[in-house]
Amino acid sequence: NAGVTQTPKFQVLKTGQSMTLQCAQDMNHEYMSWYRQDPGMGLRLIHYSVGAGITDQGEVPNGYNVSRSTTEDFPLRLLSAAPSQTSVYFCASSPRTGSYSPLHFGNGTRLTVT
Amino acid sequence: QQPVQSPQAVILREGEDAVINCSSSKALYSVHWYRQKHGEAPVFLMILLKGGEQKGHEKISASFNEKKQQSSLYLTASQLSYSGTYFCGTDMGGGSEKLVFGKGTKLTVNP
Repeated sequence: NAGVTQTPKFQVLKTGQSMTLQCAQDMNHEYMSWYRQDPGMGLRLIHYSVGAGITDQGEVPNGYNVSRSTTEDFPLRLLSAAPSQTSVYFCASSPRTGSYSPLHFGNGTRLTVT
Repeated sequence: QQPVQSPQAVILREGEDAVINCSSSKALYSVHWYRQKHGEAPVFLMILLKGGEQKGHEKISASFNEKKQQSSLYLTASQLSYSGTYFCGTDMGGGSEKLVFGKGTKLTVNP
């Protein structure tokens, strides 16, 4: 019963490098989302998806891309990493679309961009 | 637009009560509450839906006042395990799928 699995747990990038943060859930949840957490800023929504093939932007989408080819996976791509993207990234899923279902969070990926 | 939480931080002794508030400048249709312990992922506490209902989870309960566009989280007879940062999340209504969180309230419960 894995729930929401994020990989890697830690990552260090140099400015300009690209990478993909992986997120997978085994609960057959329709809704998946990515948040970043910075000290004093709370959780800010980057992108979200209401089902396979459907994605949309959140509060802070610039510099990130997502796709949802399957129900289970929702990877987050950093195209050209910048120091401002140093953060803890959380993936979350919920059983159905809308804001009426609890979010299940992964354990996070701590990203440092130097 | 992020909901506003108050206070930013609160320190309690075990057994004391606390109230955390969450307010929005926009009409609310639902409010989520989560707790996050240091170095861990946020954990769901409860959801309140439009209609002013109050929900409870052991000694933690919450209310939702849609007219005032705010929700309050009540922690009664606090325990050491209640320590952590509490976040409220609000949707933008009108079918919006976006759940936007406040900046959090750090609660510390001391023996």
